[in-house]
Amino acid sequence: AQKVTQAQTEISVVEKEDVTLDCVYETRDTTYYLFWYKQPPSGELVFLIRRNSFDEQNEISGRYSWNFQKSTSSFNFTITASQVVDSAVYFCALSEAGRDDKIIFGKGTRLHILP
Amino acid sequence: DGGITQSPKYLFRKEGQNVTLSCEQNLNHDAMYWYRQDPGQGLRLIYYSQIVNDFQKGDIAEGYSVSREKKESFPLTVTSAQKNPTAFYLCASSPAEGLAGIADTQYFGPGTRLTVL
Repeated sequence: AQKVTQAQTEISVVEKEDVTLDCVYETRDTTYYLFWYKQPPSGELVFLIRRNSFDEQNEISGRYSWNFQKSTSSFNFTITASQVVDSAVYFCALSEAGRDDKIIFGKGTRLHILP
Repeated sequence: DGGITQSPKYLFRKEGQNVTLSCEQNLNHDAMYWYRQDPGQGLRLIYYSQIVNDFQKGDIAEGYSVSREKKESFPLTVTSAQKNPTAFYLCASSPAEGLAGIADTQYFGPGTRLTVL
């Protein structure tokens, strides 16, 4: 069965600090996709990244970076030089390709960036 | 602008009443989804549809119903059979290009917060 665990329920850091959000997943499939979404206070989920199981290269997008390690079934997300606008709930998610595009979400990590 | 709209943003209903939440998309996406989010919880799938006039139950379909008469629209009805309907409801869509072994990205609307009094 597929499962996504975000062990950090809530994190608070001071602005300009770096912060890493952890994500551990479980799946029996060899082909799967991992996602990160951001949910700001407005409520809408904003897509950040999609990564397939065959691409283990780390990805960097501005202040955001993602570390995918199949050996530990983790897909961690790091924000460098955090800003108050980064305050949100962040969800990690997993989709097993071919399963009607259904996505399983973790319970989310609420990130507070303190000014 | 292309996107997904949900209306209304806030909805209040009396217990025992059915209520319909609207979801419209102009992204020309084939697939649409409804999720429920409770405080401190992740998203749980209620129903999804990959093509017009067809839909499937998700993990928590009891007490809900949907229709997919048009590609752009996927309304969700919360019926009186739903025991605890107060929640935040999110609609999503994806291209569902049908490529084998590919999982499409889902894009979300702004959500509707339903409160049953």
